[in-house]
Amino acid sequence: TQLLEQSPQFLSIQEGENLTVYCNSSSVFSSLQWYRQEPGEGPVLLVTVVTGGEVKKLKRLTFQFGDARKDSSLHITAAQPGDTGLYLCAGTFGNEKLTFGTGTRLTIIP
Amino acid sequence: DAGITQSPRHKVTETGTPVTLRCHQTENHRYMYWYRQDPGHGLRLIHYSYGVKDTDKGEVSDGYSVSRSKTEDFLLTLESATSSQTSVYFCAITADRYEQYFGPGTRLTVT
Repeated sequence: TQLLEQSPQFLSIQEGENLTVYCNSSSVFSSLQWYRQEPGEGPVLLVTVVTGGEVKKLKRLTFQFGDARKDSSLHITAAQPGDTGLYLCAGTFGNEKLTFGTGTRLTIIP
Repeated sequence: DAGITQSPRHKVTETGTPVTLRCHQTENHRYMYWYRQDPGHGLRLIHYSYGVKDTDKGEVSDGYSVSRSKTEDFLLTLESATSSQTSVYFCAITADRYEQYFGPGTRLTVT
């Protein structure tokens, strides 16, 4: 079983600040995805990365895939209360099944 | 919106009773999945299906069975519910390679 570690587990910051959350694996990912989940809802896909060193941007969110494809980061610029939620990374390791990290619970304080 | 619905959305049941959760999709996706989500464990795969009548076990399949008699429906059955199966259950489909889209979830409480 592959293990994905996410850090930090909890993060609470003021509106307007920047933040970065991390996802690490001991194994090489075939692909990696980031999801955001709000209370009472299912996870919603934000981005998929597949190439080592790849950087993708989604408005104020920047996703980076490590060169060795064993880690990823999510950076949020000028955080807003609407960014509050549980951020999950998930990876595939040579097949179609996803392995999820335990998530980072982000709270943005107005 | 990947057209995924789950029913029921909430259920309370007693230990030892059978329970069936339903996942329905409207877009004929081949792959469907059942996960459970618990604090401290994230999302864990219970079972998945890669076509009608083709299913396989995930990492936490003990105590669960599944059936897929039609492309659009994937059923999860707890033959004899236990308190350890109290959880939030999510169904998902794969639309494009590796990308999964989730239903709204079913909150199950076993008393």
